[in-house]
Parts: sequence; structure tokens; C-alpha cells
Amino acid sequence: AAGVIQSPRHLIKEKRETATLKCYPIPRHDTVYWYQQGPGQDPQFLISFYEKMQSDKGSIPDRFSAQQFSDYHSELNMSSLELGDSALYFCASSSGRNNEQFFGPGTRLTVL
Amino acid sequence: QKEVEQNSGPLSVPEGAIASLNCTYSDRGSQSFFWYRQYSGKSPELIMSIYSNGDKEDGRFTAQLNKASQYVSLLIRDSQPSDSATYLCAVPRTGSNYKLTFGKGTLLTVNP
Repeated sequence: AAGVIQSPRHLIKEKRETATLKCYPIPRHDTVYWYQQGPGQDPQFLISFYEKMQSDKGSIPDRFSAQQFSDYHSELNMSSLELGDSALYFCASSSGRNNEQFFGPGTRLTVL
Repeated sequence: QKEVEQNSGPLSVPEGAIASLNCTYSDRGSQSFFWYRQYSGKSPELIMSIYSNGDKEDGRFTAQLNKASQYVSLLIRDSQPSDSATYLCAVPRTGSNYKLTFGKGTLLTVNP
């Protein structure tokens, strides 16, 4: 079965640089979620999109933005990167009918 | 009170034993509950969903829900070393378009 695809899997950036993370949801899933997981922490919700519209917002810094495109893939844009942004970033998708969220493999972002 | 609480563990059981993982939640309006398994450095993997009071069994896994006590548990029968992972309890926040709030996770180690 097709799963959530994320790219890149690993990303190394310098402080103050910009990063773009991509997410391709499971086919026919209409909702995409972004989560951030720091070392030893549980995943924290950042933002979600339903049918290409932002549906909810969590603890996402103003330096971050995201959108969902017509083909349902989503991108998380991160600017003015800080050391504290180093984390695993997961995308999850759901079909909306039963709320089950399936996670992608994640992007490991390291900010130097 | 935290929204979702789990015994942080670590929990250590011998191979073949039953592992019992517990979770409590604060939002009485919550209607769906999920257990995720996460291996170190990997993404959360959905292993059980439960929506109604009582037990739900899937293979070696049994989820138990008691909404009156705001308690959900996961039992793993015949534990295997491959079950060694962190288990995350997740509850969608009501009125939030289903963004998940996670517990801190319980680290399970199954000893051969």
C-alpha cells in the first residue's frame, strides 16, 4: 500500500538559512498534518490542511509557513533557521472519515 | 493536568510476557484514541485505534477504553524483542480538526 512520502529525508542547513520540506500524502487522503519532534520529545503539532485550506494551527513559529497544492502535496517552508529548529519533521495524512493519521518517514533537519 | 499522560517507563518485560501500557486523557469530549509505535529515529506507526468503550483486539494487541475513567490502555501479548520501542498514546483535540495530542510515550524493552 502506498504510504506518505517526504523529501528530503535528511537536510543540513546553516543558521539563518531557509529550508523547504515536502510531503506527498497517501492517495485520496484529503488532510495533511505537520509535526515537529525534538530529541526525546513527543511529536508536536504545527499545522494542518484540509482540501488545500489551512484547517488548524499549532505551535508553529512565524518564521515557518506551509501550504497545500492542487495535487494535495504540501510544503513546509522554514526561514531564518535557528539551532533549536533541529528536529525530526513528520508529515501525516488522513482521509477524514476516521481520523486515523498515517505518518511519513520524516525529514531530519540539522541546523549548524 | 497534562492533556495526555502516560507512564514514562521504561517498562521492561521478558519475552513471551504481557506488556501493559497505560494512558489517561483530560478532555471528556474525546471520541477517538490511537496507539502509535515508534522505533528510535523512525516515524510513529499506527498500531491501534479505538472509539468505543471496551476492548478491541488485533492480533497480539488489545486496546481497552474506559471513557468514564478517561483511561485507555494497550496490552501486548506474547511480547517479542521486536516490540521494543516507544509507544505513544494520541488523542485528537476536540474541535481542532483532529490534530493529535501525544503523551510523552512509554519506552518498552522486551528482553530475550
